[in-house]
Amino acid sequence: GNSVTQMEGPVTLSEEAFLTINCTYTATGYPSLFWYVQYPGEGLQLLLKATKADDKGSNKGFEATYRKETTSFHLEKGSVQVSDSAVYFCALRGYNYGQNFVFGPGTRLSVLP
Amino acid sequence: EADIYQTPRYLVIGTGKKITLECSQTMGHDKMYWYQQDPGMELHLIHYSYGVNSTEKGDLSSESTVSRIRTEHFPLTLESARPSHTSQYLCASSDPSGSTGELFFGEGSRLTVL
Repeated sequence: GNSVTQMEGPVTLSEEAFLTINCTYTATGYPSLFWYVQYPGEGLQLLLKATKADDKGSNKGFEATYRKETTSFHLEKGSVQVSDSAVYFCALRGYNYGQNFVFGPGTRLSVLP
Repeated sequence: EADIYQTPRYLVIGTGKKITLECSQTMGHDKMYWYQQDPGMELHLIHYSYGVNSTEKGDLSSESTVSRIRTEHFPLTLESARPSHTSQYLCASSDPSGSTGELFFGEGSRLTVL
């Protein structure tokens, strides 16, 4: 079945540091890939997405590229801010729109001033 | 901004009480979901629905039940709450036929059973 593996946290960085959160997946066909973010006390929000190989999703300075050859969708940001402190979830939805989402376990990011 | 609402946001109740967590969306989405989020953050799908009068069990067994009488409404009920039900419950919806079929989440209902 489909699965998502995500780097273990927590991750602690200083403000303006470079961020990478690794995500790899296992799926048949061509899934859509997503990064969701959860701020303290809130539900999940879509951060970015990519629906086909080599697509790059971007939002709020975050980027991730759909790499089919390495089955990866790593999240990156060049300069993190304290306000980026949150939990980040990598997720996929199978090529069939009716399929349910599969989420990674989440990575908690703390950014220190 | 997503138009999906959950009430209550926080609930503290005693063991044995019946509770209903409400979830409503105004986007006309057919598919709706309930996730349970444990303290370690991981999400577990406990129920979903393809549309009116459809309910399915998710990947994680749950003692809760759901109903879907109207497209916009997907309440979750616990007949007799126990401390093991203490958790964060997240409702979500999606339009599977849309361009990306992304999930939209409510803000969550945090349940504490004493």
